[in-house]
Amino acid sequence: DGGITQSPKYLFRKEGQNVTLSCEQNLNHDAMYWYRQDPGQGLRLIYYSQIVNDFQKGDIAEGYSVSREKKESFPLTVTSAQKNPTAFYLCASSIDDRPGLDEQFFGPGTRLTVL
Amino acid sequence: EDKVVQSPLSLVVHEGDTVTLNCSYEVTNFRSLLWYKQEKKAPTFLFMLTSSGIEKKSGRLSSILDKKELFSILNITATQTGDSAVYLCAAWGGGSEKLVFGKGTKLTVNP
Repeated sequence: DGGITQSPKYLFRKEGQNVTLSCEQNLNHDAMYWYRQDPGQGLRLIYYSQIVNDFQKGDIAEGYSVSREKKESFPLTVTSAQKNPTAFYLCASSIDDRPGLDEQFFGPGTRLTVL
Repeated sequence: EDKVVQSPLSLVVHEGDTVTLNCSYEVTNFRSLLWYKQEKKAPTFLFMLTSSGIEKKSGRLSSILDKKELFSILNITATQTGDSAVYLCAAWGGGSEKLVFGKGTKLTVNP
């Protein structure tokens, strides 16, 4: 089955720790995205990547980092510099690197809680 | 600054009712508007609209875009409890690498 997987489903972090959220897709999509969703809010773009070994900052990149060493993988690291990391994180991918010309496929999300 | 505003933010109806969800946008060089349904976790794609006045339909759901007045509506007829979800609207401006999302409308359909 083709799709996007994210792990873990739930993640608890102590203040001061870095954590890495996994995102893998087997859809052969070039473009991948990371979004953050807070209660009652829409999706806000953290980082995106249109091709392997290249990625760009989104609207709220501060305190986050990514890598894109393989086409199918786009991990997100939440660093200790992120002041308020408790949120729901969604990864997405699309065939077209122009996000409004094709649907984005979303993973099931990771809920991160800082203790 | 580009923005998308959805209304209402929350809506409670009874099964069988018809609902209309609204999405207005201000996006530079607007090219497309997308609707997603988010039930628990992963949003799923519903429609993409690029042309004014052309209705897209899928079963009981339909959507239309008005590029002159800068808005779109999503209609759901004969609602069912399975329609309960957050409906997200997103707009894209050509040349931009990102979608601009609204806050969503939370629809609750009671039996």
